[in-house]
Amino acid sequence: GDSVTQMEGPVTLSEEAFLTINCTYTATGYPSLFWYVQYPGEGLQLLLKATKADDKGSNKGFEATYRKETTSFHLEKGSVQVSDSAVYFCALSLSHQGGSEKLVFGKGTKLTVNP
Amino acid sequence: GAVVSQHPSRVICKSGTSVKIECRSLDFQATTMFWYRQFPKQSLMLMATSNEGSKATYEQGVEKDKFLINHASLTLSTLTVTSAHPEDSSFYICSAGQGTTEAFFGQGTRLTVV
Repeated sequence: GDSVTQMEGPVTLSEEAFLTINCTYTATGYPSLFWYVQYPGEGLQLLLKATKADDKGSNKGFEATYRKETTSFHLEKGSVQVSDSAVYFCALSLSHQGGSEKLVFGKGTKLTVNP
Repeated sequence: GAVVSQHPSRVICKSGTSVKIECRSLDFQATTMFWYRQFPKQSLMLMATSNEGSKATYEQGVEKDKFLINHASLTLSTLTVTSAHPEDSSFYICSAGQGTTEAFFGQGTRLTVV
């Protein structure tokens, strides 16, 4: 069945370090791919998404490129800040219009950024 | 962005009792609401999808008589865990959407059954 595998955490970085959180997927169709972020005490928020191969999603300095050949959607940021400390979830949806229905999530990766 | 409020954020109940969790869309009408569950160190797993005014659609392996879902209005869905047992202890989270558009998530509810 459809699944998402993401890098296990926790990940601890110093401020201004480079961040990569790996995410790979298995899907029978052509999924849309998402990264969600959950800040302490809050709900999940959509960080970025990509709906087709080679699309790049970006937001708040974060980027991820939909790589069909490697079935990956790795999250990157060039210079993290303390405020980026959160749990990050990779997810896929088989909604063809890029909607967020029936999301399949990875386990989440907790990121802590120290000053 | 759109706001989804989930209540309570944390609840402790005795084994055998029932617990109700509410999910409200505060500034939009949600035609579809989703309920997820997350066990420690596991993924969020979709439990069921509910559409306003109709019965919920449960994912395989989820007991519909144990997890009662009601979506009586366009702004409110409830999940009732009936006859709760310690193995039901988990993190429950809802999301609300308008069909194929982005779904917005609540803060989640930490249920502990003792």
